Amino acid sequence: DAGVIQSPRHEVTEMGQEVTLRCKPISGHDYLFWYRQTMMRGLELLIYFNNNVPIDDSGMPEDRFSAKMPNASFSTLKIQPSEPRDSAVYFCASLPTPGQFNTGELFFGEGSRLTVL
Amino acid sequence: AQSVAQPEDQVNVAEGNPLTVKCTYSVSGNPYLFWYVQYPNRGLQFLLKYITGDNLVKGSYGFEAEFNKSQTSFHLKKPSALVSDSALYFCAVRPPHNSGNTPLVFGKGTRLSVIA
Repeated sequence: DAGVIQSPRHEVTEMGQEVTLRCKPISGHDYLFWYRQTMMRGLELLIYFNNNVPIDDSGMPEDRFSAKMPNASFSTLKIQPSEPRDSAVYFCASLPTPGQFNTGELFFGEGSRLTVL
Repeated sequence: AQSVAQPEDQVNVAEGNPLTVKCTYSVSGNPYLFWYVQYPNRGLQFLLKYITGDNLVKGSYGFEAEFNKSQTSFHLKKPSALVSDSALYFCAVRPPHNSGNTPLVFGKGTRLSVIA
């Protein structure tokens, strides 16, 4: 299996522009998570999905952030408009099976490094 | 609410020496505990986990961790460090199953530097 695939790996944009990050989870994984990593705040959970349905989006920082999962093999995280404080590495992760939600380990993608100028 | 603390931002150790990366947690009941490693410009990779049973858990790359309920700790250890172990290490906790499906909570990470 190719693992969790994220794109783009690097994105540099200007303040005010729309940014879309993409994720393809491992086939058969029913849970998908979006995390943000910064030096100041560490690793923060933004939102997670189960069977394409958003379960908890309480970590989404503002209305500028939105996430969708139109099907089992694709998810997007969108920031509109972007701001310099959104600069971070955004990770997508998936989890193998529902029965292992509590005991299973997450599989992470390589991350998307976002720089907003 | 559950939380996990990694009291050291940075740990330096000489190659060949034993290493310890500390983690303490706060959660009601018996937690599920995890360690992940992040190499530069890569995603996090699972190292090991404690669910139940033996307090000493063995994982990938020769790492092990000891669950200590009385001290609410789950320190990561390795008998002999390698330069290639240099990375960012994250401890994570999840409350027990009877608390429902709750995502992992990660610590802030500890940067391990192994010096040749």
